[in-house]
Amino acid sequence: SQQGEEDPQALSIQEGENATMNCSYKTSINNLQWYRQNSGRGLVHLILIRSNEREKHSGRLRVTLDTSKKSSSLLITASRAADTASYFCATAPEFSGGYNKLIFGAGTRLAVHP
Amino acid sequence: GAGVSQTPSNKVTEKGKYVELRCDPISGHTALYWYRQSLGQGPEFLIYFQGTGAADDSGLPNDRFFAVRPEGSVSTLKIQRTERGDSAVYLCASSSGTPQYFGPGTRLTVL
Repeated sequence: SQQGEEDPQALSIQEGENATMNCSYKTSINNLQWYRQNSGRGLVHLILIRSNEREKHSGRLRVTLDTSKKSSSLLITASRAADTASYFCATAPEFSGGYNKLIFGAGTRLAVHP
Repeated sequence: GAGVSQTPSNKVTEKGKYVELRCDPISGHTALYWYRQSLGQGPEFLIYFQGTGAADDSGLPNDRFFAVRPEGSVSTLKIQRTERGDSAVYLCASSSGTPQYFGPGTRLTVL
């Protein structure tokens, strides 16, 4: 079963706007990662945030992590039509044997309109 | 360099048949993972290999599912007596730590 829940399930915005997606999880984690998926096939890793970090940036991406609330958010600034995809958070459980067995949420489907 | 490749990209089979799905990881990656993704859901972990051995197969749904990685590189996911509920996209990923690099997946349809 999946650990995470993502909110919203679907998001529709105009180009240039910011997109914010939220993720909640249930158990203690080693790290939390965000992945992007186009057309229901291969996933692309976007960014990783460790359990002792609170915020991380990569280009137009900003990720926050609140371990006390067991939640994370992904912000995409100045969105483009090419950002249209599904976005998944994935957690590596704290006691997962030292490897990144990932537990995925159900994802947020983002549509960016020109 | 080459990424993770999976073959076939699509597989249609009849209920009760046996299927094999293949994964070629990135060269040098010792860790290999299989996930299954149903429509509208996120990927679900099936099995993890470190080298040739299955270090964690806790996600395999039942004994109809089996995976091997005999030489520590290519892996094959085997499904016996397929059921309609096995229809999904099967994703393979490899890594040498973090992150995991995913292949394009095999879409399995069981009629």
